[in-house]
Amino acid sequence: GDSVTQMEGPVTLSEEAFLTINCTYTATGYPSLFWYVQYPGEGLQLLLKATKADDKGSNKGFEATYRKETTSFHLEKGSVQVSDSAVYFCALSPMKTSYDKVIFGPGTSLSVIP
Amino acid sequence: DGGITQSPKYLFRKEGQNVTLSCEQNLNHDAMYWYRQDPGQGLRLIYYSQIVNDFQKGDIAEGYSVSREKKESFPLTVTSAQKNPTAFYLCASSLGMLNEKLFFGSGTQLSVL
Repeated sequence: GDSVTQMEGPVTLSEEAFLTINCTYTATGYPSLFWYVQYPGEGLQLLLKATKADDKGSNKGFEATYRKETTSFHLEKGSVQVSDSAVYFCALSPMKTSYDKVIFGPGTSLSVIP
Repeated sequence: DGGITQSPKYLFRKEGQNVTLSCEQNLNHDAMYWYRQDPGQGLRLIYYSQIVNDFQKGDIAEGYSVSREKKESFPLTVTSAQKNPTAFYLCASSLGMLNEKLFFGSGTQLSVL
């Protein structure tokens, strides 16, 4: 079945460091791909998305490119801030039928220290 | 402002007790979902509903029940049959099942006394 794999956390970075969180997926067809972010004690928020191969999603300095050849959707940010500390979830939506649901990865916790 | 409201934020359950978690949305979304989140794990789907008076089991429906009598409301009952209910519960909605953007509430932390 469809699935999402993320790099294990927690990840700890110093402020202004470069961030990469790896995400790979298994799916048939052409799923849509997402990154959601969860701040402490809150629900998830959509960070960015891409709906087809080679699309780049971007928001708040974060970017991710839909790579069908490597089945990947890695999240990157050039310079992280303390306020980026959160849990990041990679997800996919098969988008084949109305019964398909969003599949989430296990999440990667990021801590940014001053 | 439109959004999803979950209540209460914290809930405690005694052994053998049923408890109900509230989820209300004013986004006029057709689809609503309940997820369970355990520490260090991803989200697991409990139940979902595509339309009023209809709902489907997700991956871990045992020990839970839902209703969808109104478009805006999708309450989740954690029954006494759920032997390990301690978790963070998240409600979400989307415009439709094929609309991929999910909007989440701020969650309810359920603990067992």
